[in-house]
Amino acid sequence: DTEVTQTPKHLVMGMTNKKSLKCEQHMGHRAMYWYKQKAKKPPELMFVYSYEKLSINESVPSRFSPECPNSSLLNLHLHALQPEDSALYLCASSQDRPPTSGRRNEQYFGPGTRLTVT
Amino acid sequence: GQSLEQPSEVTAVEGAIVQINCTYQTSGFYGLSWYQQHDGGAPTFLSYNALDGLEETGRFSSFLSRSDSYGYLLLQELQMKDSASYFCAAVTGGGNKLTFGTGTQLKVEL
Repeated sequence: DTEVTQTPKHLVMGMTNKKSLKCEQHMGHRAMYWYKQKAKKPPELMFVYSYEKLSINESVPSRFSPECPNSSLLNLHLHALQPEDSALYLCASSQDRPPTSGRRNEQYFGPGTRLTVT
Repeated sequence: GQSLEQPSEVTAVEGAIVQINCTYQTSGFYGLSWYQQHDGGAPTFLSYNALDGLEETGRFSSFLSRSDSYGYLLLQELQMKDSASYFCAAVTGGGNKLTFGTGTQLKVEL
C-alpha cells in the first residue's frame, strides 16, 4: 500500500470556524509533512514531523496547528483563517533516512484538501 | 534564502525529447529531486540525484552538476500523458525538507 489518504477532499469554511484536515498513511513512514499549494505555484512546506515530533515549522501562522497523534496519522487544525489561506493543502510521508546515505527519500503525496475560506 | 528557477512553460511534440532545466541557490544542499504533477493531482516522485551525473529511470533521466548548481530532467519518447507540471526540489534540512522550484508546465502536442 503506497497510498496517502486525506479527508475531506473539499472544505469551505468561514473566517470564524474551526475545522481539521486529516491525513493517514500505512507505509510505516516516520516522517510526515504538510504543504500549502496555490494555483499554478509550487508546494510550500509548512510543517515536518519526524517520529511523531515536530521537527520543522516554516514560520507558519498560529491559526494553523499541526498534530501527529501516532505514526500513521497527521492532522492540521484550522482556526480563524483568512481568505488568502484558500489553497490546496497536501499531506506527504516518507522514510526518515539520513541525507548522507545518498539514497533517495521520495515523498508520497496525498490528493490534497481543497480549502476555501469565505 | 533558497531559490530554484525553472522555465515556466515548455511545449514539445509527441515522440520528441525535452529537457527541463533547474538552477538553484540553496544552503545545506543534499540532492535534487524531480516531481510530476498533473492538473488536479498530487505530486509524484520521478527521480533523485545525490551525486553529480546522470540517473536513468525508463523514459526519464535526471542530471546534476553541484559545481554549477544546475540540474535537468530529460524526458524521451514524449507521450500525451506527460503533459503536466514538473518541479525540481532541493533536499535540505536533514534530508526531510524539500524546497520546490518554480515549476515547468509541459505541453505535449500531436
